[in-house]
Amino acid sequence: NAGVTQTPKFRILKIGQSMTLQCTQDMNHNYMYWYRQDPGMGLKLIYYSVGAGITDKGEVPNGYNVSRSTTEDFPLRLELAAPSQTSVYFCASSYLDRGWTSGANVLTFGAGSRLTVL
Amino acid sequence: KQEVTQIPAALSVPEGENLVLNCSFTDSAIYNLQWFRQDPGKGLTSLLLIQSSQREQTSGRLNASLDKSSGRSTLYIAASQPGDSATYLCAVNLEGGGSEKLVFGKGTKLTVNP
Repeated sequence: NAGVTQTPKFRILKIGQSMTLQCTQDMNHNYMYWYRQDPGMGLKLIYYSVGAGITDKGEVPNGYNVSRSTTEDFPLRLELAAPSQTSVYFCASSYLDRGWTSGANVLTFGAGSRLTVL
Repeated sequence: KQEVTQIPAALSVPEGENLVLNCSFTDSAIYNLQWFRQDPGKGLTSLLLIQSSQREQTSGRLNASLDKSSGRSTLYIAASQPGDSATYLCAVNLEGGGSEKLVFGKGTKLTVNP
């Protein structure tokens, strides 16, 4: 069981280039998320999805796009990369644990993708 | 705007010591609170989740408490071990029903010395 797999692990981009960070999960989770973590900071939510065909903006969506054509995959697209997008990107997925009184999503994170924009 | 603060930013203790990590949040209208562990170069691992209606959760040597009215949570680690060395992150969930809009603190970097 691979869990949440992110590729690539490392990437260097030049300003203005574009790229896609891939994320796939094999746990049949409905919910998927993209976070970024800047040095010495907590994670911030970029985009999330509650199911195939449904996406929504998080706290810091500018400069990014996502799609969710399948349950398994949730790619994050960077258009016109900028130095401010230098960060570590984490993909996560979750399911609704109905064992909790009001339900609770238990998140599984990928190992992260470190992106540098020069 | 919800803000999450973790104190201290770093902590170094000898093996076997009991320790407490602190987390505070500015808006008590949260759905739940989670504690995560982050190892260098790796993703986050969920440790404990406390619903807003609960006071504490326990898992092995870990105990997390929640005082929603005062905007505080603590993570207690008993009999610390070198393998506990990691960064511990606290996150509050602003919404329920399936969309986890988590607001994270900056974390506490814990080092347990043999």
